[in-house]
Amino acid sequence: AQSVAQPEDQVNVAEGNPLTVKCTYSVSGNPYLFWYVQYPNRGLQFLLKYITGDNLVKGSYGFEAEFNKSQTSFHLKKPSALVSDSALYFCAVRDSSASKIIFGSGTRLSIRP
Amino acid sequence: DAEITQSPRHKITETGRQVTLACHQTWNHNNMFWYRQDLGHGLRLIHYSYGVHDTNKGEVSDGYSVSRSNTEDLPLTLESAASSQTSVYFCASRGTVAGELFFGEGSRLTVL
Repeated sequence: AQSVAQPEDQVNVAEGNPLTVKCTYSVSGNPYLFWYVQYPNRGLQFLLKYITGDNLVKGSYGFEAEFNKSQTSFHLKKPSALVSDSALYFCAVRDSSASKIIFGSGTRLSIRP
Repeated sequence: DAEITQSPRHKITETGRQVTLACHQTWNHNNMFWYRQDLGHGLRLIHYSYGVHDTNKGEVSDGYSVSRSNTEDLPLTLESAASSQTSVYFCASRGTVAGELFFGEGSRLTVL
């Protein structure tokens, strides 16, 4: 069975500092990995995905994520945080042999000025 | 621009009533999904469809049903609403099996 874990409910970072939001996964086949962001009272918006190829994936709003197969992780990163990055972030995974996408429980990112 | 819309955005209903949440997408996507979002649980899959007349149960399908009579719409029906179904519901669609999901803005349902 596929699963995804976001071990931190909340991450607090000062504006201008680098940020990391953690995600680990478990699948039986090759993973398709996704990050989404949710602003208050809005639907989820796609940030980036890893399907195959380069382990470092670049996405929207300056975010990037690194796929690490040995650690089964797909952490979201940004070199310099903005206050406007404050939102709820979801990691999601899909087994290449399945078709459903499973979401983590979400991490609330708070960027202080 | 193509989009995915949900209605109503907010609804209050009483226990035992039937409720239908609408989802309409203009992406022409075959794959459509319904999720519910609750604190501490993230998003949980209720039902999904890979095309017209195809429907499948997700991990929390009890008490819910869907039908797919055309490509654009996947309405979600609560046959007899329960307080445990108070939640925010999101519809999403996907164009390819490796593609990302496109989400609607959500429908907040309160069952009293």
